[in-house]
Amino acid sequence: GENVEQHPSTLSVQEGDSAVIKCTYSDSASNYFPWYKQELGKGPQLIIDIRSNVGEKKDQRIAVTLNKTAKHFSLHITETQPEDSAVYFCAAFLSNDYKLSFGAGTTVTVRA
Amino acid sequence: EPEVTQTPSHQVTQMGQEVILRCVPISNHLYFYWYRQILGQKVEFLVSFYNNEISEKSEIFDDQFSVERPDGSNFTLKIRSTKLEDSAMYFCASRTHTTNYGYTFGSGTRLTVV
Repeated sequence: GENVEQHPSTLSVQEGDSAVIKCTYSDSASNYFPWYKQELGKGPQLIIDIRSNVGEKKDQRIAVTLNKTAKHFSLHITETQPEDSAVYFCAAFLSNDYKLSFGAGTTVTVRA
Repeated sequence: EPEVTQTPSHQVTQMGQEVILRCVPISNHLYFYWYRQILGQKVEFLVSFYNNEISEKSEIFDDQFSVERPDGSNFTLKIRSTKLEDSAMYFCASRTHTTNYGYTFGSGTRLTVV
């Protein structure tokens, strides 16, 4: 099965600075890589995703990059704000079994 | 925006009791999932369900677990005889059949076994 590793486990940044979270995956057949934001007491909310035929995707302050050769993908948050504080999960999706494999999560704290 | 609805938000049960966690997936979605998150750990896949049957289950999903779509709108997870280690957040998710992507998660049920 797919194995997703995520780093760092915690990240503290000053408001306005950038945050970068990195993930690696094991199965080269994975073809979809979503990122979820989880706030306390809530379910994972999709914030951005990328498919294997694309190298980079951006949505306002959030961007994701994918390196298929190295089997890693990253989330970049620019101009961080206090409301960006949450746990972020990366995930990989294997198209032949239709389930998501999650990373362990990164707790992001944005200091005002 | 369509939502996946889960009830209850929090369930406390005694060890050995049966619990049923309920989910109402998005109405035009055909694939349904349960995931579990033990406090401080990864979100883990439990089971996927399509066309009124289980399509895949993980090692966690043993004989004490079952799923059902009893009435065309609800999707339930039953734990027959709860153990302390079943304490976790349980998330229901659904996705449309028109794409392999686009999971929508519910807000979860926090199960506490005492």
